[in-house]
Amino acid sequence: AQSVTQPDIHITVSEGASLELRCNYSYGATPYLFWYVQSPGQGLQLLLKYFSGDTLVQGIKGFEAEFKRSQSSFNLRKPSVHWSDAAEYFCAVGDLNTNAGKSTFGDGTTLTVKP
Amino acid sequence: DAGVTQSPTHLIKTRGQQVTLRCSPISGHKSVSWYQQVLGQGPQFIFQYYEKEERGRGNFPDRFSARQFPNYSSELNVNALLLGDSALYLCASSSPTGLRDGYTFGSGTRLTVV
Repeated sequence: AQSVTQPDIHITVSEGASLELRCNYSYGATPYLFWYVQSPGQGLQLLLKYFSGDTLVQGIKGFEAEFKRSQSSFNLRKPSVHWSDAAEYFCAVGDLNTNAGKSTFGDGTTLTVKP
Repeated sequence: DAGVTQSPTHLIKTRGQQVTLRCSPISGHKSVSWYQQVLGQGPQFIFQYYEKEERGRGNFPDRFSARQFPNYSSELNVNALLLGDSALYLCASSSPTGLRDGYTFGSGTRLTVV
């Protein structure tokens, strides 16, 4: 069964500092991987996705993520955090084997940005 | 172009009651998925529908059911509500290319069971 682990429940960074959010997945084949962001009371917005090819993927809002098969990781990074980045971030792995198109999500990392 | 719309945004129900949640996908999207997000956790997959047929079901009891209409809108029904059903229910639609483009989520329906 597929699973996603986000080891950090809560991270606090200063505005302008760099950010890395960790994500580890368990999946039997080549995974489809996603990062979503959720602001309070809102739905999820897709930041970026990985399917194949270049292991460093660029997303919206200046985010990027790197797929490392050997470590089963897909960590999200941003070089300089803005106060508006404060939100909850979810990593997800897509399931295509059953043709169900469902995604399995981690439990999220809450990002707080200090001024 | 309108995004994924869900209604109602909030509702409060009593244990044992039944509830229907509604979702309209992005125009041109034929796939709709439902997720339950309990406070402090990530979304959990409930159902996926494509072209009005169920394509996947998560690990939820039979009290949960859904359907998709010819215009691709969808309803999620939950019978015999329990306190543990209190959650944010998210609807997501995807393009004809399916999972490769990821999902577009609505803002959700906040269900409180008392």
